[in-house]
Amino acid sequence: QKEVEQNSGPLSVPEGAIASLNCTYSDRVSQSFFWYRQYSGKSPELIMSIYSNGDKEDGRFTAQLNKASQYVSLLIRDSQPSDSATYLCAVNMNSGGYQKVTFGIGTKLQVIP
Amino acid sequence: KAGVTQTPRYLIKTRGQQVTLSCSPISGHRSVSWYQQTPGQGLQFLFEYFSETQRNKGNFPGRFSGRQFSNSRSEMNVSTLELGDSALYLCASSLGAGVSYGYTFGSGTRLTVV
Repeated sequence: QKEVEQNSGPLSVPEGAIASLNCTYSDRVSQSFFWYRQYSGKSPELIMSIYSNGDKEDGRFTAQLNKASQYVSLLIRDSQPSDSATYLCAVNMNSGGYQKVTFGIGTKLQVIP
Repeated sequence: KAGVTQTPRYLIKTRGQQVTLSCSPISGHRSVSWYQQTPGQGLQFLFEYFSETQRNKGNFPGRFSGRQFSNSRSEMNVSTLELGDSALYLCASSLGAGVSYGYTFGSGTRLTVV
């Protein structure tokens, strides 16, 4: 089992629709969760962080966390073609007494005009 | 506010050579982490430095090493390069010791080993 799992996609949604991106993780004691967006040929950029169960909203983005199910998701409302990118889920993991941030493979999102 | 600066942007090296990559974090950030990104494996953690100390290391061979200087700038070195080392190497800057803070990534160094 991978430490952080994402469906690599591509996930295609029409413009204006809600895009739902999902991520599961293996470390039950993880406390910090992040979503990064990576455009083709660019480096990842942080778009959301979440630390507590429930929803966290920032503009068109909503991050959802369910620690009991070891599940984190990202919803993008009113999807735009400019949202087309790869979305990386990142989770802190305990490793040898220290913490490290582990990334999923990323889900490629395509927003169709 | 200057971002994370990685140099060089592109490198072409021959198998068996060694290479040094540099990263200057955001001013005031004391944590620098390094990742290797390949299409098949995604982002793989190499190591994290905080206040000149290596706090954690990923599952890479000893050919991969790094260090951090007192001004928080970091370097990573890969010796005896192999074809499989071809990848995008990303440096991530963070205010504290990594996990509770988000990263700001540099533009990366694209290494090609021929």
